[in-house]
Amino acid sequence: KQEVTQIPAALSVPEGENLVLNCSFTDSAIYNLQWFRQDPGKGLTSLLLIQSSQREQTSGRLNASLDKSSGRSTLYIAASQPGDSATYLCAVRPRTDSWGKLQFGAGTQVVVTP
Amino acid sequence: EAQVTQNPRYLITVTGKKLTVTCSQNMNHEYMSWYRQDPGLGLRQIYYSMNVEVTDKGDVPEGYKVSRKEKRNFPLILESPSPNQTSLYFCASSLTGTSGRASYNEQFFGPGTRLTVL
Repeated sequence: KQEVTQIPAALSVPEGENLVLNCSFTDSAIYNLQWFRQDPGKGLTSLLLIQSSQREQTSGRLNASLDKSSGRSTLYIAASQPGDSATYLCAVRPRTDSWGKLQFGAGTQVVVTP
Repeated sequence: EAQVTQNPRYLITVTGKKLTVTCSQNMNHEYMSWYRQDPGLGLRQIYYSMNVEVTDKGDVPEGYKVSRKEKRNFPLILESPSPNQTSLYFCASSLTGTSGRASYNEQFFGPGTRLTVL
């Protein structure tokens, strides 16, 4: 069964510092990996989706990389701002008969201090 | 506006009283899914549907039912709710899941339904 792990569970950085969030998965047979942001008590907002054939995706200050062979994805957020404070989750879609079963990591809670 | 809607947003009920949480999307998506989110356990998938009349169990289906009679709707049914089903529930949809185009696979989430079973 696919296991998705996010380390660290929590992270606090001063404003302006770059954020590096890690996501690892045990089975490299995936269709894609998606990064989400969740604010307290709110739904999930999609940030970036990386197809298995891609190495990275970028959107503004966000950059996500994917290394399928090592089972890792990294989300970089440049020049962090207090508004970036949230929980960040990654999810993988397996390339198996059960492709509909998405597996989520537990998330990394980020606090950016002014 | 493209969106996934859920109703109700908040619900307090009692053990054993059947309830339905509705989910609707206006993006003509094939794939829809239900998750529950609990502290310390993260997001866990309950059921998913690849298309109309095609549903399958996720990781925690016990105590839940779903149906997909129309493409846009995917209700979650709790026939006899119990206190351990107190949770935050999310519905999500995507155009498909296995396309080579990233935009086809991106999942969109509803705002969530906070359910308390007493």
